[in-house]
Amino acid sequence: NAGVMQNPRHLVRRRGQEARLRCSPMKGHSHVYWYRQLPEEGLKFMVYLQKENIIDESGMPKERFSAEFPKEGPSILRIQQVVRGDSAAYFCASSIEESETQYFGPGTRLLVL
Amino acid sequence: LAKTTQPISMDSYEGQEVNITCSHNNIATNDYITWYQQFPSQGPRFIIQGYKTKVTNEVASLFIPADRKSSTLSLPRVSLSDTAVYYCLVEDDDYKLSFGAGTTVTVRA
Repeated sequence: NAGVMQNPRHLVRRRGQEARLRCSPMKGHSHVYWYRQLPEEGLKFMVYLQKENIIDESGMPKERFSAEFPKEGPSILRIQQVVRGDSAAYFCASSIEESETQYFGPGTRLLVL
Repeated sequence: LAKTTQPISMDSYEGQEVNITCSHNNIATNDYITWYQQFPSQGPRFIIQGYKTKVTNEVASLFIPADRKSSTLSLPRVSLSDTAVYYCLVEDDDYKLSFGAGTTVTVRA
């Protein structure tokens, strides 16, 4: 049973470009969460999605960031017009139900030059 | 107000028992205590969760006193591969996990 998968594992972008991060939840999980981790800091919640629905995006910056979890395919975290401050590790987690244990993927490390 | 307080770092040697104590003075009745482990360049991994008294699994034990204002994660007979950051979380049914800086445990040969 494969765990949470994220790709790419590493992503380099120049300022102003777009970054697309993908997350495939564990089999049977329909709840997806995105977190961001800055160097030497803990993870910060960004957004919670279920299939085709954004449940809570209170932790996501109001501009340039968006997320989706379509009926088919992985969840996507999209960052438009990236800036150097977006450089961080982005982790996706999934759970079988909303309040159940979250299982994390290996993360995508975004570097903005 | 921080939900949890835990030491920044701890050093140990192979074969020793490591105990990490987490303070959560403002824990609410509905809150559970959960510990995650994170290796460099990896996502956090669930270790153990408890509500009161003692919980044990194949990886660790979690001790929670009656007042629940603190808890202790116990790692028996650590090895070099247990070197990681350990996070103590206090959560109710909220899905927004709140990670602090964690405790960096370094195991030496």
